Amino acid sequence: EVQLVESGGVVVQPGGSLRLSCAASGFSFEDYTMSWVRQAPGKGLEWVSLIRWDGFSTYYAASVKGRFTISRDNSKNSLYLQMNSLRTEDTALYYCAKAIRDFDLWSATDYWGQGTLVTVSS
Amino acid sequence: EIVLTQSPGTLSLSPGERATLSCRASQSVSSSYLAWFHQKPGQPPRLLIYAASSRATGIPDRFSGSGSGSGTDFTLTISRLEPEDFAMYYCHHYGSSPKTFGQGTKVEIK
Repeated sequence: EVQLVESGGVVVQPGGSLRLSCAASGFSFEDYTMSWVRQAPGKGLEWVSLIRWDGFSTYYAASVKGRFTISRDNSKNSLYLQMNSLRTEDTALYYCAKAIRDFDLWSATDYWGQGTLVTVSS
Repeated sequence: EIVLTQSPGTLSLSPGERATLSCRASQSVSSSYLAWFHQKPGQPPRLLIYAASSRATGIPDRFSGSGSGSGTDFTLTISRLEPEDFAMYYCHHYGSSPKTFGQGTKVEIK
């Protein structure tokens, strides 16, 4: 059974930093593109970033580029999101999501975690 | 950036009725890269349709997706609404960066 479990969400002050983690199990993690998607309270979905199965390509939404860094450790079946220079508008539930097809950079996402809540507030 | 506009904002229907949700893209989107999700309160989104018309694993056949030849108009149809179908629905373009989502259509019980 595929499982994605996010962690690391806390309350942080504007300008602060945070690292989110996503622990994956139930599939060959090293074969799949992984993504982060966020959802502000009461709002819609916003794609944040994705990373290729081998970590050699990464992409970001304009709203986070230069502040967030996506990475992965295939030996630990883990996905990460380093978040720097946090702003109040980064407050959201952050989901990690798995691509539906292996070795496909541009793939739909079929499994999502339950999310971890990041609150940026003074 | 491909902007996805969903209509209507809210759809008020009764169980057993047919629901038709629309998603219009600001520029042509290959059908290979258009998906639909639904989301219930307190839950993560669930993939319903990918590649415009392929049902995801475990999705019942009352859900169907289609796209126009122009590559800008896509439709999600729920043939007969079940109680568990009342939720928020999002279309999603995933073929290039940035990936984008529509603003959502809420399907509510009339």
